[in-house]
Amino acid sequence: AQKVTQAQTEISVVEKEDVTLDCVYETRDTTYYLFWYKQPPSGELVFLIRRNSFDEQNEISGRYSWNFQKSTSSFNFTITASQVVDSAVYFCALSEVSGSARQLTFGSGTQLTVLP
Amino acid sequence: DGGITQSPKYLFRKEGQNVTLSCEQNLNHDAMYWYRQDPGQGLRLIYYSQIVNDFQKGDIAEGYSVSREKKESFPLTVTSAQKNPTAFYLCASRDGGGPNNEQFFGPGTRLTVL
Repeated sequence: AQKVTQAQTEISVVEKEDVTLDCVYETRDTTYYLFWYKQPPSGELVFLIRRNSFDEQNEISGRYSWNFQKSTSSFNFTITASQVVDSAVYFCALSEVSGSARQLTFGSGTQLTVLP
Repeated sequence: DGGITQSPKYLFRKEGQNVTLSCEQNLNHDAMYWYRQDPGQGLRLIYYSQIVNDFQKGDIAEGYSVSREKKESFPLTVTSAQKNPTAFYLCASRDGGGPNNEQFFGPGTRLTVL
């Protein structure tokens, strides 16, 4: 069965610090997709990135970067030079190709607080 | 603008009452989903639908019901059989049934049972 673990429940940093959010997943599929979502205080989830299991290239988008390592089943998310507006809950999610698993399995989320 | 709307934003219910949460999307997406989020927890799937007039139970379907009569609408009814309905409910949609496409989320409905 698929599973996503975000061991960090809460993280607090001071503005301009770098912060890494960890995500570890379990799946039996060889083809799968990983996602990161941001949930600001308003509640709506905002899509950040999608990565398929065959693409292990790291990706950078502005202050955001993602490190995907199949060897350790991890898909970590780093925010560089954090800002107060980055304060939110961040979810990692997994979607498998096989069977009826046409939905996302979410981790429990990491609450990031960036202090001014 | 294209997107997903949920109403109401806040909903209060007395014990024993059924309530229906609305979810509408104008993205022309085939698949729609309902999730429940409890404080400090991730999202758990209640029901999902990949085409009109068809839907499947998710992980926590007991005490909930849905319908999918129109492509753009996927209402969720929280019945009196749901023992602990106070939660934040999120609706989502996705283009096609494939696992590679991201889900788009609505703003959510916060349900409180008095």
